[in-house]
Amino acid sequence: EIVLTQSPGTLSLSPGERATLSCRASQSISTYLAWYQQRPGQAPRLLISDASNRATGVPARFSGSGSGTDFTLTISSLEPEDIGVYYCQHRSNWPPGTFGRGTRVEIK
Amino acid sequence: QVQLEQSGAELRKPGSSVKVSCKASRGTFSGYSLSWVRQAPGQGLEWMGGIIPIFGTVDYSQKFQGRVTINTDESTTTAYMELRSLRSDDTAVYYCARGGGGTYYTLFNYWGQGTLVTVSS
Repeated sequence: EIVLTQSPGTLSLSPGERATLSCRASQSISTYLAWYQQRPGQAPRLLISDASNRATGVPARFSGSGSGTDFTLTISSLEPEDIGVYYCQHRSNWPPGTFGRGTRVEIK
Repeated sequence: QVQLEQSGAELRKPGSSVKVSCKASRGTFSGYSLSWVRQAPGQGLEWMGGIIPIFGTVDYSQKFQGRVTINTDESTTTAYMELRSLRSDDTAVYYCARGGGGTYYTLFNYWGQGTLVTVSS
């Protein structure tokens, strides 16, 4: 089973700052990686598919990059509504792959 | 825009069962996948199992194998998840999530609002 390790556990930044979230896979997964955002009290929401493709309606300040084992989600300029937990997921063939344990983003 | 509407919160005793529903409005499951993902209090996301109705394929996480049943009713565009032999550590929010089609069955682009299941004596 492929394990996804996310870091840091918590990111505390001021509005307007750049947020960089990392997801590392235990073995190469090409670009088969998705990112989800979960705001407090809400269901998860798809942000990024295939490592770098923004989902419909996702603001341009969110971008994804990486391939193989190392992936990054970047929020170019943090907004207050971006607080929550961000999960990466191995977008495997069926059945679904695992999720990472998440990175919590807080506003200072 | 697909919307997934889940049934309401449930309180169950240890050893009992719970069945949660997920109705798709303005959409269908045909050609897509439907999974159930749970989230224990303060914890991350855990895939429990899922179904691809067009193939009749149902798969379960090994952790839940034998305790969970997932099915769909295409006539009412409703999916169901039944979890049996409930324990206190099954207390969680249960989400249904629809995957894409084709090679994107495992990409969850639509989620239900979640159903809180509390297991307590």
